[in-house]
Amino acid sequence: TQLLEQSPQFLSIQEGENLTVYCNSSSVFSSLQWYRQEPGEGPVLLVTVVTGGEVKKLKRLTFQFGDARKDSSLHITAAQPGDTGLYLCAGGTGANNLFFGTGTRLTVIP
Amino acid sequence: EAGVTQFPSHSVIEKGQTVTLRCDPISGHDNLYWYRRVMGKEIKFLLHFVKESKQDESGMPNNRFLAERTGGTYSTLKVQPAELEDSGVYFCASSTRLAGGVSLLISEQYFGPGTRLTVT
Repeated sequence: TQLLEQSPQFLSIQEGENLTVYCNSSSVFSSLQWYRQEPGEGPVLLVTVVTGGEVKKLKRLTFQFGDARKDSSLHITAAQPGDTGLYLCAGGTGANNLFFGTGTRLTVIP
Repeated sequence: EAGVTQFPSHSVIEKGQTVTLRCDPISGHDNLYWYRRVMGKEIKFLLHFVKESKQDESGMPNNRFLAERTGGTYSTLKVQPAELEDSGVYFCASSTRLAGGVSLLISEQYFGPGTRLTVT
């Protein structure tokens, strides 16, 4: 079983602050996806990274895939209350299933 | 375009009863996946259909779980008989044809809202 550890598990910050969420594994993944999930809903795909060292930006969110394709980070600049939610990383090893991380619950306080 | 839908949204049953969950994938998506999150744990893969065929069912917990996808459209996941440890949120996801080169396959999966199953 490929285990993806996310840190921190919980994060509470003030509006306007920056934050970084980490997703680490000892396994190599062919792709790494980040999802955000809100209560009562399923995970919503934010981004997919596939190349070691790849960096993708989505407005205030910056995603990076580690050079060895074992880890990833999500950086949010100037967090807003609308960013509140559960952030999940998920590693893909091929055509089939995703291995999900343990999750980071972010709360942005107005 | 309609997203992945799941029915019911909640189900409360007694131990020993049978429950059937349904998933309607995004139209045209050949790949359909079932996942589950039990309390306090990460989301875990159960199985993967390509059209009507089971591609990978390595995550199915035991033979009390039966998944079908007749006709390659919607899928059902039946739990019979249900046990207390089956409680959790069951997610369905779908994806289109896999993209990428020969050595790299990417599955961008789109998730439904989940069915919360409570076994008492």
